[in-house]
Amino acid sequence: EVQLVESGGGLVQPGESLRLSCSASGFSFSGNAMHWVRQAPGKGLENVAGIRSNGVTTYLADSVKGRFTISRDNSKNTVYLQMNSLKTEDTAVYYCVKDLKWDTDGPFVLWGQGTRVTVSS
Amino acid sequence: EIVLTQSPGTLSLSPGERATLSCRASQSVTSSYLAWYQQKVGQAPRLLIYGASTRANGIPDRFSGSGSGTDFTLTISRLEPEDFAVYYCQQYGTTPPPFGQGTRLEIK
Repeated sequence: EVQLVESGGGLVQPGESLRLSCSASGFSFSGNAMHWVRQAPGKGLENVAGIRSNGVTTYLADSVKGRFTISRDNSKNTVYLQMNSLKTEDTAVYYCVKDLKWDTDGPFVLWGQGTRVTVSS
Repeated sequence: EIVLTQSPGTLSLSPGERATLSCRASQSVTSSYLAWYQQKVGQAPRLLIYGASTRANGIPDRFSGSGSGTDFTLTISRLEPEDFAVYYCQQYGTTPPPFGQGTRLEIK
């Protein structure tokens, strides 16, 4: 079965860190770019980060630059989102997403079920 | 940076009716790199349309996309009960690829 399974979410205090993981199965993981998209409670979709299939090129939304890092391990079929210096406005469900293409310029063809991150004191 | 504006914010229709959702871009969308996603309550989004008019795998043919340049439309020809959801457009091909704010399609 083709799927993406996120993990690593939870409740943290402002200023703390979390690392999200996304395990892919059912497709050739190394052939597709991957993204993280978040959705704050009751809000729309916000693109957070993306990474090319080879892991060399990444992008980050302005709202998370300097705090978040995206990486991938193609040998483990896993993409990561390292989130440092978390703020209350980072509270959201974080979705792992598969790109149609090898570069980060395709439509988002497969979504995970999401992992919830809550930043609160 | 392209900004996508969806209208209306909320659309109230009955099953069997035709739905027309709009997505307008602040600049011309390169190569019609425009996608539509459906999100039901409590679920992850799913891809419906990409390339402005190509249906994704498994999407029923009552869903169709059209448009070019700055104006795009998602049409649902005859609404089924399971179609009531929130719909987002997205311009891809740039990074980060922006989403519109969404249109909520609700049962009248």
